Order: sequence, then structure tokens, then C-alpha cells
Amino acid sequence: DTGVSQNPRHKITKRGQNVTFRCDPISEHNRLYWYRQTLGQGPEFLTYFQNEAQLEKSRLLSDRFSAERPKGSFSTLEIQRTEQGDSAMYLCASSGTDRGFAGYTFGSGTRLTVV
Amino acid sequence: AQSVTQLDSHVSVSEGTPVLLRCNYSSSYSPSLFWYVQHPNKGLQLLLKYTSAATLVKGINGFEAEFKKSETSFHLTKPSAHMSDAAEYFCASMNTGFQKLVFGTGTRLLVSP
Repeated sequence: DTGVSQNPRHKITKRGQNVTFRCDPISEHNRLYWYRQTLGQGPEFLTYFQNEAQLEKSRLLSDRFSAERPKGSFSTLEIQRTEQGDSAMYLCASSGTDRGFAGYTFGSGTRLTVV
Repeated sequence: AQSVTQLDSHVSVSEGTPVLLRCNYSSSYSPSLFWYVQHPNKGLQLLLKYTSAATLVKGINGFEAEFKKSETSFHLTKPSAHMSDAAEYFCASMNTGFQKLVFGTGTRLLVSP
């Protein structure tokens, strides 16, 4: 069990470019979450997968954002036509239903800077 | 709708003195409550959780928190601060559906020698 892995750790991109982040959850966890954390704020929920199904999306997730979890394993979060307001830390977490609330593990995050 | 309010954006203590980080929650039902710690450029680490069992919850690194329904509070305490405790602390609540966490805005703990 190597924990939740996120890549890349840091991404600097020019406004208008597309970016994609990857999250590898703990292998036996069937639930996967994406959160966004801006400077000086707590993390905010973006979206949630149970296996490969995306079951909930926040209003924060505009149509420029898309998340996938093919085959219920790793997940990707893509941001199209990035804006400076997208600069934030993007956190992924996973949990297993058999462990209830105890099984929520966060990755170290991907820090996005849009210049 | 559930919400979490952390009453202090910064708390400064001296090493060896007690720590108190305050958190109030708002929920129409008894929520599950959590405290997380975040060191610079790191992910969130769970310190402790309350899930309707004992109201006094003990966590890692000597931290504990008490759930007080009458005050809608879940304050985090530690008897004696260490330099390594300096970090950002987040209080969070969780709904009973798909386990979405709602976080407060965080409290930065500063520990001086």
C-alpha cells in the first residue's frame, strides 16, 4: 500500500492551455474524490467516483473541467482553456466502503499555477 | 446545509504550552466530524474523527477533541505543543451520503521556542 499518488506534483501553464492531472488511489479503494484548495482556504469538493461511475459533481466544476475514472482504477482531471482563477492545489482522496469513514486517504496534491 | 467555522485563522503558542483550535459546525443532524493537519506542500493527514461514539476523541500525536452538541463545537486540544506541530489545521464535517467532506477555512498554528 503506497498511499494515494498524484502526478505531477507541480504544473505551470500558460492561460488558455489544457492540463491533465492523474490520481492513483489505494488499490482496494473503490471511492475516489477530487478537491480543490485555493490559497488560504480549506479544500472544496469537486467530484466523486464510485468505481468508474461519476456520481456527484460540484457547481465549482465548470464545463471546462472533466474527470474520468476508466475501469475504476486511476482517475484523471482535465482543465481546458485554463484561467488564472484555476490556480490552486488539486487534491485527490480515496476511500473504501468497507472501512466507512476511517478509510479516507489524501494524496499530496498537484499544485497548478496558471500564468 | 452543513458548514464548518474555524474561529481563528492563526493561533500562536509557545513550545510546551497548551493548544486550543476552535471549530463550530452547523448541521441539521449529528454529523461526523474530523480534524486534519496539513504541513507545507503536503497532503492532508487525519488527526482524529468523531462518528457518534464517545464524545471525547483521542487522535494521533497527543491531540484530542471533544464533541459538544449543545455548543455545536468540536475544538481540538493538545496539552503541550511541540515545534513539529506548527502547520495548518482543518476541521471538517461529513454527510451521511457519499462521504463528501466540508472543510473550514483552516487555522495556522505557530509554535515559538
